[in-house]
Amino acid sequence: GAVVSQHPSRVICKSGTSVKIECRSLDFQATTMFWYRQFPKQSLMLMATSNEGSKATYEQGVEKDKFLINHASLTLSTLTVTSAHPEDSSFYICSARDPLAGRGETQYFGPGTRLLVL
Amino acid sequence: GENVEQHPSTLSVQEGDSAVIKCTYSDSASNYFPWYKQELGKGPQLIIDIRSNVGEKKDQRIAVTLNKTAKHFSLHITETQPEDSAVYFCAASPGGYQKVTFGTGTKLQVIP
Repeated sequence: GAVVSQHPSRVICKSGTSVKIECRSLDFQATTMFWYRQFPKQSLMLMATSNEGSKATYEQGVEKDKFLINHASLTLSTLTVTSAHPEDSSFYICSARDPLAGRGETQYFGPGTRLLVL
Repeated sequence: GENVEQHPSTLSVQEGDSAVIKCTYSDSASNYFPWYKQELGKGPQLIIDIRSNVGEKKDQRIAVTLNKTAKHFSLHITETQPEDSAVYFCAASPGGYQKVTFGTGTKLQVIP
């Protein structure tokens, strides 16, 4: 099946620093990737949709200057949390859409990245 | 926009019993309904999905039913095993390249 990886799996950083999270589709090309945030015992909250070669589309309430998304290739999207603060601590999960699976709607998720900002 | 409600929020069953999780959606344009299983500290894993041109789909111990008229769909797990313990999310989407809206999740505990 389709495999999506994320790196790092967990990261601890100091307040004010920036953190980059990578999301890769390992065995398929993903024209669209998604970034989600998940708080403990809650559902997934879509942050933005990342399209290869174009600007990301952010959901309402998500600061695009704080959460920088780059989708430079068909297998890699990155999320950079800039000037991180303790309230940014969360579980960040990416997903990638396999255009060849079913009718192209199927999303495959990465294992997630646990971010802790001190 | 789409609103997906999911019940129950927690569910405990004895090993070997069946578990049923129900979801409702609001947008009649939705026609793709995936189900995900999320284990603690991991990303969601797609376990089954159904499209609106099908009323039921089965994969071994897992089945999903869809009532498009009533706008609800359900996940059925038979002969539950301890490894089925996880959080399950339903979701709905108009399909194509449009975004998926997730339910609030159901924590399933299978008691040995």
